[in-house]
Parts: sequence; C-alpha cells; structure tokens
Amino acid sequence: TQLLEQSPQFLSIQEGENLTVYCNSSSVFSSLQWYRQEPGEGPVLLVTVVTGGEVKKLKRLTFQFGDARKDSSLHITAAQPGDTGLYLCAGSKAAGNKLTFGGGTRVLVKP
Amino acid sequence: GAVVSQHPSWVICKSGTSVKIECRSLDFQATTMFWYRQFPKQSLMLMATSNEGSKATYEQGVEKDKFLINHASLTLSTLTVTSAHPEDSSFYICSASASQGNIQYFGAGTRLSVL
Repeated sequence: TQLLEQSPQFLSIQEGENLTVYCNSSSVFSSLQWYRQEPGEGPVLLVTVVTGGEVKKLKRLTFQFGDARKDSSLHITAAQPGDTGLYLCAGSKAAGNKLTFGGGTRVLVKP
Repeated sequence: GAVVSQHPSWVICKSGTSVKIECRSLDFQATTMFWYRQFPKQSLMLMATSNEGSKATYEQGVEKDKFLINHASLTLSTLTVTSAHPEDSSFYICSASASQGNIQYFGAGTRLSVL
C-alpha cells in the first residue's frame, strides 16, 4: 500500500478536454510537489504547495492542496498533446526530508 | 532552475559486471543526494539517501552491498551496481538537494540494461 495514492492510474482524453488527477493520503504532509515525467527523462518539478487550502495556477494547470494537507489535485484545462506524460505527486513530511512519491498518473492527450 | 547532470544516460553491461552511475549538481552545492529506481510504467522508488561525507541511508529491502553509494563531495554522488544481473535492469534517477528546504532537482536518469 502506497502512502500516496494517485488516481486515476491512466487517463486518455481528446485535445481540448479538461482533466483532474488526484493525490490522496491518510498522512499529513508539510509540502507536496507535482512533477511531470516524459519517457526516458527525469521528473520535472511543476509546483510545490505548502499551505493547507492553497491553490496555485500555472497557465492551464491548477493545483490545490487540501485544507488538512493530506490530499492534492491537479486540474488541466483545455489539454493539449504536449501535456501528455506521467504526472507524479510527491510529499515531504518535514523540511529537508525525503520525498514519498505517488504511483503516478499516465496522461495521454490525443490530437 | 538548478541543474543536475547524470551520466551515463544509457548503459548496457554483461551479467556479473559492475556499473557506476554519476550524479553531479552543476550550479549548486548538494548536501543531500537521493537515488531512485523506476520500473517501466511505475513510479519512483527511493533506494537511498546520501549525505556528503557520511554513509548513505538505505531504504528497507535495498542491499547496500549491491548498490554502493559514494558522496565524496558537495557536487558528486555515485551509485555502483555491483555484480549486475538482468533483474537489476531499470531506470535509475538521482536528485540533489541544497541545504535549505527540501526541493529536489532531478537528473535525466540512467537506463541500465544487463544482458
């Protein structure tokens, strides 16, 4: 059982549609990061959220951290083929501590 | 953003040989480096945490004699897969973190194929 559960595991949508990826845990995290990884490459940091209830926007991406800091979501508006990739959430329980990764959500945006 | 370089990006070796992977922080001093393993279509699994000048801390189930980690300087950590076997074939990724905060900057990964 993973500490961070991501859902769905796989998502296939058409270009222009919206999508939401969820990251849930029974544990509290001091911070949570979202990464996107493309095949054969390392993860690239998209955002870090640290405050319960925090909402961050990055162009068409909206990230939310739950009030209790146990869950997070990533919403993509008007998805494009370039959004295709593996989306990973990762939580840290203390500053300087190791990251625990969720299982990942594979997103495929078809043109 | 900070740059972490990993080398080689891809290596093929024969069963029984050892392979060394390097992880360098190019524009900052990394007091802590992390090594992850990723199987196809799966997430990253932390193998060990390495602090400069001290022994690495291995996660449960990771053999420290099999996966040797050295962090001799603030910009370089190495992972050596000793006596590699086909089941060690995987994507290995390092990350580096400066002393402040917990942001980890990731390398591009190394694909290891053991024949």
